[in-house]
Amino acid sequence: GNSVTQMEGPVTLSEEAFLTINCTYTATGYPSLFWYVQYPGEGLQLLLKATKADDKGSNKGFEATYRKETTSFHLEKGSVQVSDSAVYFCALTPNSGGSNYKLTFGKGTLLTVNP
Amino acid sequence: EPEVTQTPSHQVTQMGQEVILRCVPISNHLYFYWYRQILGQKVEFLVSFYNNEISEKSEIFDDQFSVERPDGSNFTLKIRSTKLEDSAMYFCASSASGLAGQPQHFGDGTRLSIL
Repeated sequence: GNSVTQMEGPVTLSEEAFLTINCTYTATGYPSLFWYVQYPGEGLQLLLKATKADDKGSNKGFEATYRKETTSFHLEKGSVQVSDSAVYFCALTPNSGGSNYKLTFGKGTLLTVNP
Repeated sequence: EPEVTQTPSHQVTQMGQEVILRCVPISNHLYFYWYRQILGQKVEFLVSFYNNEISEKSEIFDDQFSVERPDGSNFTLKIRSTKLEDSAMYFCASSASGLAGQPQHFGDGTRLSIL
């Protein structure tokens, strides 16, 4: 079956530091890949997505590139802010097998950014 | 920006009681989902719903669970006889279509506590 593995947290950084959260996946074919973010007390918000190999998703300074050869979708940001403190989830949906595409999530990575 | 709304935000119920979790998806969306997150664990898919019927359900979604779209706006999850292990955060999501790569939009969740 499909699965997503992301780096264990928590991750603690100082403001303006560089962020990488690793994510690798197992799936047949070419899944769509997503990063969701969950701020304290809130639901899951879509951060960015990529639907085919070599696509780069980007939003709010965050980027992730769909790497088919390494089955990865690592999240990066060049300079984090305190307001980026949240839990980040990597997820995928299959691109075949039906018209309803359930999300398969990683365990989530808690990011804390200190001023 | 339109959003998915869930009520209540927190539900406390005695074991064995029935509970109904409510969701109002984004108005022009056609695909609906329930996920749950047990504390400290992954977000897990429960069920997807389209055209007034279940499209897919997970192993978790046993006979104690049911979903319904009773009118044009609400989407409910019912647990008939709750167990301690049903304690979790339950997220409703909706998407405009079932196409691959279509993002799902999440509500803020209902925290269900079974005593």
